[in-house]
Amino acid sequence: GQNIDQPTEMTATEGAIVQINCTYQTSGFNGLFWYQQHAGEAPTFLSYNVLDGLEEKGRFSSFLSRSKGYSYLLLKELQMKDSASYLCAVRDSNYQLIWGAGTKLIIKP
Amino acid sequence: SAVISQKPSRDICQRGTSLTIQCQVDSQVTMMFWYRQQPGQSLTLIATANQGSEATYESGFVIDKFPISRPNLTFSTLTVSNMSPEDSSIYLCSVEVAPSDGPYEQYFGPGTRLTVT
Repeated sequence: GQNIDQPTEMTATEGAIVQINCTYQTSGFNGLFWYQQHAGEAPTFLSYNVLDGLEEKGRFSSFLSRSKGYSYLLLKELQMKDSASYLCAVRDSNYQLIWGAGTKLIIKP
Repeated sequence: SAVISQKPSRDICQRGTSLTIQCQVDSQVTMMFWYRQQPGQSLTLIATANQGSEATYESGFVIDKFPISRPNLTFSTLTVSNMSPEDSSIYLCSVEVAPSDGPYEQYFGPGTRLTVT
């Protein structure tokens, strides 16, 4: 079967750095996405990785290792507004998106 | 990008009744997706709706329970039929857009929060 694993919940301090990990086992791979979802709102696109390495976009960076089936989302200079769920999703060989359950990130002052 | 609206935003319905959720996109898109998301859980794809053809349902979802219409390239409806409390969830409409300089991105509507009593 297809599976995406993320921690259920993480806590971090305002101004600090946090890394949210995602491991996946899918039938084929055509890219990995990270989405942010604030409580009661729809998910919004954050990043996309299809090749190994780090993609940086402002305070957010996303890393991919296809050989290890592993990705992480790195958030720097955390702000209170970063409190949200972060969803990892992988596009499989049929171009279907397989979603992780999401990681709820709690930011404390 | 794509801006998606959904109606209703929330509803409380009685067991055995049906609810139709509307999804409107501000641009023409080929494929529209309907997802369900239960509290604290991942997004579950219900079906993919292409204009001019029957929707394709995922395992565990059937047309009699979740009939879908796709009359044109900017609009779709999902009906939750003969509802039971287990259907209480957030239902999300989604589209894929391919920008000229990047991968397909998935955009979501604000969701419809359904409670069945």
